[in-house]
Amino acid sequence: DQQVKQNSPSLSVQEGRISILNCDYTNSMFDYFLWYKKYPAEGPTFLISISSIKDKNEDGRFTVFLNKSAKHLSLHIVPSQPGDSAVYFCAALKAAGNKLTFGGGTRVLVKP
Amino acid sequence: GAGVSQSPSNKVTEKGKDVELRCDPISGHTALYWYRQSLGQGLEFLIYFQGNSAPDKSGLPSDRFSAERTGGSVSTLTIQRTQQEDSAVYLCASSFATPGQGAPQFFGPGTRLTVL
Repeated sequence: DQQVKQNSPSLSVQEGRISILNCDYTNSMFDYFLWYKKYPAEGPTFLISISSIKDKNEDGRFTVFLNKSAKHLSLHIVPSQPGDSAVYFCAALKAAGNKLTFGGGTRVLVKP
Repeated sequence: GAGVSQSPSNKVTEKGKDVELRCDPISGHTALYWYRQSLGQGLEFLIYFQGNSAPDKSGLPSDRFSAERTGGSVSTLTIQRTQQEDSAVYLCASSFATPGQGAPQFFGPGTRLTVL
């Protein structure tokens, strides 16, 4: 029972363009959603999060959008840079819970 | 400041042996988590420590897995009688607040465990 899904295993985008990563979830009890970036042989690095009471959060080049009715969130990276090439994980958290539930990840390749 | 550190970075062991993986969380972080990432899989929660409270062990896959956190800081994950399916990257994370506050978890570089 995969509660958080990232249906696109990979994404290729040209430098300077927008990268859009999508994430769907099934459990309406999640209170927070987070995005992490992971380079090979390193641990995940926190990027940005959003509370379930909001529909948008922006931090520099990164914006996360939340559509609760559709149980869908997305991460926009504008403009994309070659250093953004990594695996991106969507994760969800219940306020009453003790763990992050992760999606399977999306590998992003930004071409110069 | 120093981030989460883990040791060893790589561990190769034979099936049936016991292994210990170590995690040093960020100083002052009260919450500590263990996850693992098997090949081609997402991150899977294993165990959570918060202060002096009893740990949440709900993610441990079998009774061969155990973890402890001494003095509210360093944690050790022990896998007894390792099996080939235990091969994965084991990641430790820490956080300065309880999960209910939505605080992000900061991850270490992981320990890559290979069971031959």
